[in-house]
Amino acid sequence: GESVGLHLPTLSVQEGDNSIINCAYSNSASDYFIWYKQESGKGPQFIIDIRSNMDKRQGQRVTVLLNKTVKHLSLQIAATQPGDSAVYFCAETPLLNDYKLSFGAGTTVTVRA
Amino acid sequence: DAGITQSPRHKVTETGTPVTLRCHQTENHRYMYWYRQDPGHGLRLIHYSYGVKDTDKGEVSDGYSVSRSKTEDFLLTLESATSSQTSVYFCAIRSGVRGGRDSHLFGSPLHFGNGTRLTVT
Repeated sequence: GESVGLHLPTLSVQEGDNSIINCAYSNSASDYFIWYKQESGKGPQFIIDIRSNMDKRQGQRVTVLLNKTVKHLSLQIAATQPGDSAVYFCAETPLLNDYKLSFGAGTTVTVRA
Repeated sequence: DAGITQSPRHKVTETGTPVTLRCHQTENHRYMYWYRQDPGHGLRLIHYSYGVKDTDKGEVSDGYSVSRSKTEDFLLTLESATSSQTSVYFCAIRSGVRGGRDSHLFGSPLHFGNGTRLTVT
């Protein structure tokens, strides 16, 4: 079946370095993609989103890249800080069913001081 | 927290008992969702609502029912709790209109509450 998944379950990053979190999806109809951050004991928090007619979108210290050819999504975090330690999820939805997001299992990012 | 309150935050109940979880929003958003989160499974959609008294099933709806009698409240009921329903339950809300390639819709991601941790013993 089609699914959304992240390449690595964990990522350890030195404070100040850039982080790259990857996500692969298999649904060729996926049209809208979202990255969420979840801290312990809290609900997922929206970070940034991108539509399929874009290949890059930037936010504050974050950049999302979309490669539809290989069905790959990535989240780049610049100058990673201790507060970036969390679980990161990608989510996708196809055009015709766009309010039913499918989530990946998550990547746990740990920032080393 | 995008004006979302989930109650209770924690609950322990026994197998076979009914349980109702509440989600209250102050954003007047049309769409409301219930997800469960389990290790290894990520977030899975249970039920969602696209308006007052308008609800539909998600991918893991068996054993759950929902009701939405007011815009601001979305209730999730476990009719007869089982141990497999031990999980963390998240409510989410979303603004926008339904259907079609609508830029307003794609600019309205889900916003989540802080969850209810339910343990069924």
